[in-house]
Amino acid sequence: DTGVSQDPRHKITKRGQNVTFRCDPISEHNRLYWYRQTLGQGPEFLTYFQNEAQLEKSRLLSDRFSAERPKGSFSTLEIQRTEQGDSAMYLCASSVDRGYGYTFGSGTRLTIV
Amino acid sequence: AQSVAQPEDQVNVAEGNPLTVKCTYSVSGNPYLFWYVQYPNRGLQFLLKYITGDNLVKGSYGFEAEFNKSQTSFHLKKPSALVSDSALYFCAVRDGTGFQKLVFGTGTRLLVSP
Repeated sequence: DTGVSQDPRHKITKRGQNVTFRCDPISEHNRLYWYRQTLGQGPEFLTYFQNEAQLEKSRLLSDRFSAERPKGSFSTLEIQRTEQGDSAMYLCASSVDRGYGYTFGSGTRLTIV
Repeated sequence: AQSVAQPEDQVNVAEGNPLTVKCTYSVSGNPYLFWYVQYPNRGLQFLLKYITGDNLVKGSYGFEAEFNKSQTSFHLKKPSALVSDSALYFCAVRDGTGFQKLVFGTGTRLLVSP
C-alpha cells in the first residue's frame, strides 16, 4: 500500500476548459474526502464519500464541480468551464470508518491561465 | 460549527531552541484535535492527534502537543528545533459525533534558523 495517490500532480489549463482529477485512496479506507487549498490558507472541505455514496457537499462546490466515486474505490473530481478562481491545490484524503485522522495525498495543483 | 484559530502567521526560532506553535479551537462536544505538517508543493502529513486520555500527546519527529480543555488550546511543541522542521503547520478539529469532517486553521509557518 503506497498511501493516497493523486493524478496529475500539476495541471495547467486555459480558462473555460474542463479538467478532471483522480484520487486513489488507501485500499481499506471506505471514506474519501476532497479539500481545496489556496495560497496562504488552510485546506477547505469540498465533499465527502462513504463508499460510493456522496454524503456531504460544501457550498464551495458550485454547479461547475462534480465528484464521483463509482465503485467505492477511486474518485474523480471534475471542474467544468474553469475560472481563474479555481486555481488552487486540490487535496484528497481517506480514512477508515470511525478512524480519527485522515491520510492525505500529495495533491493536484491546478493553474488556470 | 467547529473552528480553529492559529494566531501566528509565522514563528521564528533558532535551531536547538524549543518551539511552540499555538492553536485554539471551538467545538461542540468532545474535541478531536490534530496537527499536520506541509512541505512545499506537498500534501499534509499527520503529526499527532488528541482523542482522549493524557493531555500531553507525543507524535512524529519529536513533536508533542498539550491539550488544555479550560483554555480550549492544543499547542504544538518540540524541545529542540531542527532546521528541517521549517514548514507549514496546520491545526485541525472535528467534533466527536457523526460526520468526520476536519476543519483546519489557516496555518503557521515555522522558520528554524541555523
